[in-house]
Amino acid sequence: GAVVSQHPSRVICKSGTSVKIECRSLDFQATTMFWYRQFPKQSLMLMATSNEGSKATYEQGVEKDKFLINHASLTLSTLTVTSAHPEDSSFYICSASQGSSWDEQYFGPGTRLTVT
Amino acid sequence: EDQVTQSPEALRLQEGESSSLNCSYTVSGLRGLFWYRQDPGKGPEFLFTLYSAGEEKEKERLKATLTKKESFLHITAPKPEDSATYLCAVSGGYQKVTFGTGTKLQVIP
Repeated sequence: GAVVSQHPSRVICKSGTSVKIECRSLDFQATTMFWYRQFPKQSLMLMATSNEGSKATYEQGVEKDKFLINHASLTLSTLTVTSAHPEDSSFYICSASQGSSWDEQYFGPGTRLTVT
Repeated sequence: EDQVTQSPEALRLQEGESSSLNCSYTVSGLRGLFWYRQDPGKGPEFLFTLYSAGEEKEKERLKATLTKKESFLHITAPKPEDSATYLCAVSGGYQKVTFGTGTKLQVIP
């Protein structure tokens, strides 16, 4: 149980284009979903927290107009990186919680984004 | 602000050589302490949640323990497939989860 999928697993895009990443909870309803960014040899950096049907809560320093998050249903959240630049290249990971933002989270497999 | 410090940063063990990973934390009102395993290029895999000091949980060769200031992940007779980065995280009064930087474990056959 508690399986989270993420798509795509890898994506390469050109600078200035937008990329959408999907995160789905496959066998449970996710009250809360999270988006993280991870740099090599560093820990997870929380970007934003979203609840179904509500606007996402962004962490300090994360541009909400650049990283658009939509939590359309209890099983689907999307992250759109708009006007991507090479510095946006990173490993993006989503997670989902069956409860509140402080409960255990189940992570997706991650998406490797490369902006050329 | 909640803080999590993991040590050591990296650990190299011979197969069968038991050891422990440390997670020290400061948190405003602990709601839960979590252990995850992360393989390279993949998302973290949930292992345990501990809620109060004195609590212990086991899964195969792994055993997690919790005190008021730290948690230990004990690995008994590790195998090469236990090689991964182990992440510790806490949730507290700020209603968010704070992750440590992890311990990279390598088990050599």
